[in-house]
Amino acid sequence: QVQLVQSRAEVKKPGASVKVSCKTYGYTFTNYVIHWVRQAPGQGLEWMGWINAGNGGTKFSRNFQGRVTLTRDTSATTAYMEVRSLRSEDTAVYYCARGPNFGVAIFDYWGQGTLVTVSS
Amino acid sequence: EIVLTQSPGTLFLSPGERATLSCRASQSVSSNYLAWYQHKPGQAPRLLIYGASNRATGIPDRFSGSGSGTDFTLTVSRLGPEDSGVYYCQQYGDSPPTFGPGTKVDIK
Repeated sequence: QVQLVQSRAEVKKPGASVKVSCKTYGYTFTNYVIHWVRQAPGQGLEWMGWINAGNGGTKFSRNFQGRVTLTRDTSATTAYMEVRSLRSEDTAVYYCARGPNFGVAIFDYWGQGTLVTVSS
Repeated sequence: EIVLTQSPGTLFLSPGERATLSCRASQSVSSNYLAWYQHKPGQAPRLLIYGASNRATGIPDRFSGSGSGTDFTLTVSRLGPEDSGVYYCQQYGDSPPTFGPGTKVDIK
């Protein structure tokens, strides 16, 4: 069955970078996009961007443009999200989620989430 | 961007009762591209409804969605203990996709 399995929790210092992985199972990886959504403590869900797993194309929320990189490894059926120049406000649970590749941001399967803590 | 508000903030209900959750958009949601998700602590969110009224794969018919334009409703009939969690609406008719703040459903 479809599964998205994310890497484990990370603790980073301000100014550092973090890279989260999202390993997928049970479907044709290149036929879908992978979205990234985060939830800061006590806050709602915030969409960050997506990567088309087939052609590698990306799109970002204005809030994350320039500070987030999305990549994928088709042979490993894995997507990656890297956030640079971390600040305390980036402390959040980061989720990957699968979406159709025809331009609608519906998230039909999600990963379990990766907690990233930014603290000095 | 489209701002979504949800009400009530918390629902306290008993097993067997019906839950009615509301989601209102700051402007009309294009093509009624409105989804609902259930989120339980420590678990991945689960897609319940898309296109305002279409149940996702494997979702029981106790869950139903309705509405159009700026006002949408999720109804959960015959509540069970497993229905506890936070329910989010999300619009995907406009970029960026945005989520409501959630309604917590507490089954006592």
